[in-house]
Amino acid sequence: GESVGLHLPTLSVQEGDNSIINCAYSNSASDYFIWYKQESGKGPQFIIDIRSNMDKRQGQRVTVLLNKTVKHLSLQIAATQPGDSAVYFCAESRRGGGNKLTFGTGTQLKVEL
Amino acid sequence: GAVVSQHPSRVICKSGTSVKIECRSLDFQATTMFWYRQFPKKSLMLMATSNEGSKATYEQGVEKDKFLINHASLTLSTLTVTSAHPEDSSFYICSAARGRRTEAFFGQGTRLTVV
Repeated sequence: GESVGLHLPTLSVQEGDNSIINCAYSNSASDYFIWYKQESGKGPQFIIDIRSNMDKRQGQRVTVLLNKTVKHLSLQIAATQPGDSAVYFCAESRRGGGNKLTFGTGTQLKVEL
Repeated sequence: GAVVSQHPSRVICKSGTSVKIECRSLDFQATTMFWYRQFPKKSLMLMATSNEGSKATYEQGVEKDKFLINHASLTLSTLTVTSAHPEDSSFYICSAARGRRTEAFFGQGTRLTVV
């Protein structure tokens, strides 16, 4: 079925390195994408979003890249810190779907000291 | 960002009882809220869309009589798990968006344990 999926279930990086978390989506109608961070036992926290009329958007230490040709989304975290350790989800919504989000499977980011 | 508050954060109940979870948007009005369920180390699964002043829209496979949703005001939606059983134990999370096709903000989640 149509889904939003992540390539890697676990990503380990050294503190200070850059992290790249990938996400693939399959529905051509997807036109709004969000990255969320979820710490253990908490609700997802908004990180950054991007609409399909853009291919890059930057925030504080984070960058989201969107490649609509191959239906691929990535989240780049610069100078990864221990506090970045969490599960990261990509989510998408579709034209005509209102605010309804479909979530990917999640990537566990582990930052090693 | 906007604040969505969920209460309680943890609840333990006996089998056969009902549990109500509240979701409030504290600094904005939300005509639509969403309820998700999350199993350990899994993604969020949308259960239903809560619509202010009208019936909730349930996803396929979600029992509407088991999971009662009420959206009585623009800032409050409630999820009631009726006649709870151990298999209903899970992490329940609500979300709300300030506007149409904008980022959704999530509550802190409710850890439900049915014993």
